[in-house]
Amino acid sequence: AQSVTQLDSHVSVSEGTPVLLRCNYSSSYSPSLFWYVQHPNKGLQLLLKYTSAATLVKGINGFEAEFKKSETSFHLTKPSAHMSDAAEYFCVVSVQAGTALIFGKGTTLSVSS
Amino acid sequence: GAGVSQSPSNKVTEKGKDVELRCDPISGHTALYWYRQRLGQGLEFLIYFQGNSAPDKSGLPSDRFSAERTGESVSTLTIQRTQQEDSAVYLCASSLYSGDSYEQYFGPGTRLTVT
Repeated sequence: AQSVTQLDSHVSVSEGTPVLLRCNYSSSYSPSLFWYVQHPNKGLQLLLKYTSAATLVKGINGFEAEFKKSETSFHLTKPSAHMSDAAEYFCVVSVQAGTALIFGKGTTLSVSS
Repeated sequence: GAGVSQSPSNKVTEKGKDVELRCDPISGHTALYWYRQRLGQGLEFLIYFQGNSAPDKSGLPSDRFSAERTGESVSTLTIQRTQQEDSAVYLCASSLYSGDSYEQYFGPGTRLTVT
């Protein structure tokens, strides 16, 4: 069975400091992994995806994530937080193209000035 | 181009009533998905349509939930005899099912409140 665990329900950072949102996955297959962001009253937007190519994946808005098979992790990072990064972030796994995505419970990122 | 659209954006209904939620996928996308997002939770898969294949209904929580899709266009999610636990945001997504393409594009959702 496939599952995703987001280790922090809420992360608070100051503007200009690094962001780390942690995600661990469980999968019997070689998964594809994603991070989606959801701003208040907005739809879900894909930040980045890993699909068995380079293990370090760069996404939009300066975010990146590294796939570590030995640790079954796919943590999301950004060197310097911006106020506009405040949102809900979801780590997502998919084991086959065209199948349903499996979402983590989400991490709320707060950014203070 | 136009993204996935959903209507209504908000729906308040009384317990026991039936509701219909609509999703218009991105033109040309063969796959369509419905998810439910309860307050403070991640998304739960409900149902998946791919072309003319039989839909994957494995995520539907009860027989009060059903969905239809006309060809590769509009889909309707119907909830009969609504209960308070059905209150959630219902999200629709579509994707261009093509080889390794996984990306699903999400609509803004319909917020359903059952009173």
